[in-house]
Amino acid sequence: SSELTQDPAVSVTLGQTVRITCQGDSLKNYYPSWYQQKPGQAPVLVMYSKNNRPSGIPDRFSGSTSGNTASLIITGAQAEDEADYYCNSRDSTLNLVVFGGGTKLTVL
Amino acid sequence: QVKLVESGGGVVQPGRSLRLSCAASGFAFNSFGMYWVRQAPGKGLKWVAVIWHDGSTKYYADSVRGRFTISRDNSKNTLYLDMNSLRVEDTGVYYCARDNGLIAMIQDWGQGTLVTVSS
Repeated sequence: SSELTQDPAVSVTLGQTVRITCQGDSLKNYYPSWYQQKPGQAPVLVMYSKNNRPSGIPDRFSGSTSGNTASLIITGAQAEDEADYYCNSRDSTLNLVVFGGGTKLTVL
Repeated sequence: QVKLVESGGGVVQPGRSLRLSCAASGFAFNSFGMYWVRQAPGKGLKWVAVIWHDGSTKYYADSVRGRFTISRDNSKNTLYLDMNSLRVEDTGVYYCARDNGLIAMIQDWGQGTLVTVSS
């Protein structure tokens, strides 16, 4: 089955820009989604399709995709953005849905 | 607003069975694909199963195929996960979730129910 690969941990200084990446073959054919998960809470969708934010998600969150790599970009990171971030996408195999391993974002 | 409430979790011995339920409200349940996603303690999200809006099509992760069955009752706005031959590695929080009309784009999540498989 396909896999999505994420860096385990990324840090950013308060107010700076950070890029969280996700790589995998499925991204050549399908758009990713991105989820934010804070400790003890359920995940929250923060980005989907080409570059779409659900209602209520701040516009400092944006997304991009090129080839087999997708990125979630936070422009002007805030303390409340510290969380785990997961990408996922559809896959072409019987394992229809695949998640990345997650990236722990630390805001310094 | 959209509400997804899981129930049925608990402690179970290896090899036994368990049924999870998810009560949905606040949206047209029969119009959306529904998912189960699990998270082992301290680990990442893992997709378990998906069922089409009308129940016609189901897909499973390799790790649960043949042991778990996803189903839905659109008349009761309820999603189910029947888990058989449970293993220690099935331990985790199980989330019920719905997509936004596109496969794998998971719009809403429940708060999860904890399943612990232990002897």
